[in-house]
Amino acid sequence: AQSVTQPDIHITVSEGASLELRCNYSYGATPYLFWYVQSPGQGLQLLLKYFSGDTLVQGIKGFEAEFKRSQSSFNLRKPSVHWSDAAEYFCAVGAGDYKLSFGAGTTVTVRA
Amino acid sequence: NAGVTQTPKFQVLKTGQSMTLQCAQDMNHEYMSWYRQDPGMGLRLIHYSVGAGITDQGEVPNGYNVSRSTTEDFPLRLLSAAPSQTSVYFCASSYSRGGVNTGELFFGEGSRLTVL
Repeated sequence: AQSVTQPDIHITVSEGASLELRCNYSYGATPYLFWYVQSPGQGLQLLLKYFSGDTLVQGIKGFEAEFKRSQSSFNLRKPSVHWSDAAEYFCAVGAGDYKLSFGAGTTVTVRA
Repeated sequence: NAGVTQTPKFQVLKTGQSMTLQCAQDMNHEYMSWYRQDPGMGLRLIHYSVGAGITDQGEVPNGYNVSRSTTEDFPLRLLSAAPSQTSVYFCASSYSRGGVNTGELFFGEGSRLTVL
């Protein structure tokens, strides 16, 4: 069975600073990997996804993520954080059959 | 551009009551699913459907029923509500392109359910 671990429950970052959110997955074959963002009171929105090919993927809102098979990781990064990036971020893994397994989420707080 | 619409947004039930959470999508997506979100546990899959007339269980199906009579609608039924079902419920849809699963889920805004 597939699973996802997000080691950081809460991260606080200053506006303009860089951000990195960690994600480790467990899956026997090549995974489908996703990052979603959830603003307060809203549903989840897809930031980016990895299926195959280039291991560095670009997403919306200036986010990127790198797939590292040797480390079973798919960390999310943003070079310069904006106050509007305060939200909860979820990493998810799938097997190509629509059923995703989500991590517990990382809450990002942005301080001025 | 309605996307995925869930109703109601908020609901309070007493233990033992039944209710239905409604979900509708207007994107002609073949895949629909229900997740529940609980603090510190992320989202867990309850039930899903890959097309009209086809449903299957996810990770936490007990206490919930679903049906898929049309492509657009995928209601979630709680038969006899329990306090353990207090949660935020999300409906999501997805699609394939050229027979390939895109893997992208489109979520509704959620339904917050409290069972007393």
